[in-house]
Amino acid sequence: AQKVTQAQTEISVVEKEDVTLDCVYETRDTTYYLFWYKQPPSGELVFLIRRNSFDEQNEISGRYSWNFQKSTSSFNFTITASQVVDSAVYFCALADSNYQLIWGAGTKLIIKP
Amino acid sequence: ETGVTQTPRHLVMGMTNKKSLKCEQHLGHNAMYWYKQSAKKPLELMFVYSLEERVENNSVPSRFSPECPNSSHLFLHLHTLQPEDSALYLCASSQDLRGGNYEQYFGPGTRLTVT
Repeated sequence: AQKVTQAQTEISVVEKEDVTLDCVYETRDTTYYLFWYKQPPSGELVFLIRRNSFDEQNEISGRYSWNFQKSTSSFNFTITASQVVDSAVYFCALADSNYQLIWGAGTKLIIKP
Repeated sequence: ETGVTQTPRHLVMGMTNKKSLKCEQHLGHNAMYWYKQSAKKPLELMFVYSLEERVENNSVPSRFSPECPNSSHLFLHLHTLQPEDSALYLCASSQDLRGGNYEQYFGPGTRLTVT
C-alpha cells in the first residue's frame, strides 16, 4: 500500500534560519511521482515541485531545494534563509500508476520575525 | 481569470438547505477533482472527472452530488448535510489523469460551515 509520512507536525524557526521538512514514502511501484505543495493561510494549495522516481537529481529553485533519496524513500524539502512569507502548511504527496495522490498529513511551518 | 477559481469562498448552510459549489478552470485541462479538507485529517479525494466523465467516487455520501457539464466547469451539489461535513472543499485540475505525471492545480477553496 502507498503511504506518505510527514512526521513533523509543526516546526517553528526564526527568520533567516534554514529549515528542512521531512517526507518519507512507501510504494511497491517502480514508477511513481512525488510532489510538494504549499498551503498558505489563504487556503489555496500551491504546487511547488514534481519529481519522478527515475530522476534522483536534487533540485534547487531559489531558496528552495529538494533532496530525493530512493535508498531511504525520502523526499525532503529545505528552505534556506527562511522568510515570514514561507509560513504555511507544506504537504508531500505520492502518485503511482494510479492518478490518485496519496497525501501526507502536512507540516505546519511557522517563521517568526 | 486565471488558474482555478471557486465560488463561493465561504458558505454557511443549515442541514435542510440545498446549495452548490462551483469550480472553473482556465488552464485547458482535461481532469478535475473535488477534495475535502477537514481539520487534523489528510486531504480526502471525493470525485474525479476526466473529459466530463466521472472516473472515481470514493465512497462519498449521496448528499454530495457532483456535476461536470464541460471540461472547464465542475459543481458540487449539496443537500441535507451534516455538521461533520463542515470543511474546506477544494477543487483541482490537471492536464490529464495519467499516473501522476501531471500536477494538480488547486483553487482557493470554499469554506463550508453546516449549522
